[in-house]
Amino acid sequence: AQKVTQAQTEISVVEKEDVTLDCVYETRDTTYYLFWYKQPPSGELVFLIRRNSFDEQNEISGRYSWNFQKSTSSFNFTITASQVVDSAVYFCALSENDYKLSFGAGTTVTVRA
Amino acid sequence: AAGVIQSPRHLIKEKRETATLKCYPIPRHDTVYWYQQGPGQDPQFLISFYEKMQSDKGSIPDRFSAQQFSDYHSELNMSSLELGDSALYFCASSPRDNEQFFGPGTRLTVL
Repeated sequence: AQKVTQAQTEISVVEKEDVTLDCVYETRDTTYYLFWYKQPPSGELVFLIRRNSFDEQNEISGRYSWNFQKSTSSFNFTITASQVVDSAVYFCALSENDYKLSFGAGTTVTVRA
Repeated sequence: AAGVIQSPRHLIKEKRETATLKCYPIPRHDTVYWYQQGPGQDPQFLISFYEKMQSDKGSIPDRFSAQQFSDYHSELNMSSLELGDSALYFCASSPRDNEQFFGPGTRLTVL
């Protein structure tokens, strides 16, 4: 069964629009980690954030922000004032006690000038 | 800062040939993970090593094997290659506290 669900397959926005990527996860572990990675067309996986299950504080880093809600098992990611360079595939991932990453299917974000 | 090194970056093989992918983790990282990402897919966990011992195994075909050496570098050996093995293969390294750093990937094309 898929442990991480990213319901949005593709999102297309115009520059300067905000875009929110949804991520819902499933785990029975009480200790786990959630991640977001960016994969630009060049193919590398760029680490964006790690959040542990005991830290529900939202986080902001520049134009990026994350909303972690354990009550709904969600870890959503928002890009504010999007730019063309934000065009990429974004993956949400879960790591449980075995440490390996389980990725969602990814959301392709296209930002048009 | 030093990053994870993977070699080669690109590899083209014929069906039924063998391939060896190499991964050099960040210094002082004792854990290595291998992931396979097919076209249009998300990365799938293959296998991991901690302190040179296999620590976990995912959906890795029997035709694949891997090991971690005394200097902590790891090699993924793939035999009897099939067209479906064409993918991007990522190596990630971490200290035991779980933050994985990914290498740039090896793009394997099987013709």
